[in-house]
Amino acid sequence: DVKVTQSSRYLVKRTGEKVFLECVQDMDHENMFWYRQDPGLGLRLIYFSYDVKMKEKGDIPEGYSVSREKKERFSLILESASTNQTSMYLCASSSTGFVQPQHFGDGTRLSIL
Amino acid sequence: DQQVKQNSPSLSVQEGRISILNCDYTNSMFDYFLWYKKYPAEGPTFLISISSIKDKNEDGRFTVFLNKSAKHLSLHIVPSQPGDSAVYFCAAEGGSEKLVFGKGTKLTVNP
Repeated sequence: DVKVTQSSRYLVKRTGEKVFLECVQDMDHENMFWYRQDPGLGLRLIYFSYDVKMKEKGDIPEGYSVSREKKERFSLILESASTNQTSMYLCASSSTGFVQPQHFGDGTRLSIL
Repeated sequence: DQQVKQNSPSLSVQEGRISILNCDYTNSMFDYFLWYKKYPAEGPTFLISISSIKDKNEDGRFTVFLNKSAKHLSLHIVPSQPGDSAVYFCAAEGGSEKLVFGKGTKLTVNP
């Protein structure tokens, strides 16, 4: 079974802090993704990466950056946290090729005070 | 511009009956569709998928139907069980390996 592990289930930070969310997958997947989930808005893609050191912006990249130094690890960075970044953050991974579903971690519930 | 739409925010059915969850899309370039199930405080789990070359895919109690001309797909769960109560997300992909998700439908199966 694919295992996608997010470092924290719950996190509370203050406005203006730099926040790191970590994600590790154990299936040697090429692709990794960061989403946020908000009530009534579904899952929205923030950034994704299809290879080490490669990244592409998703639909809502503003205020975020990412880092992928190793294939198994994909980090999401909130450069200067704001209250509107309070959300559930979900990491996913998939292998390359047609008909490969994404596998998700259990999410990090982030609160910015 | 919402490319994947789930117009019913919620659905309630009786145990043993059929649950039908619907999804519409606007982008004709989508060629692969997936359904995910999400329980509270957990990540979404992949349920079933269908490629655009098919119109039906079945896996146990779950069947997905695709109507390309109407740009519509549906997920049928028969028979519905209380453990099926969750939020269901429809997603579509068009060759970029990125998924576009609908906003979800909360299914409640009553005992």
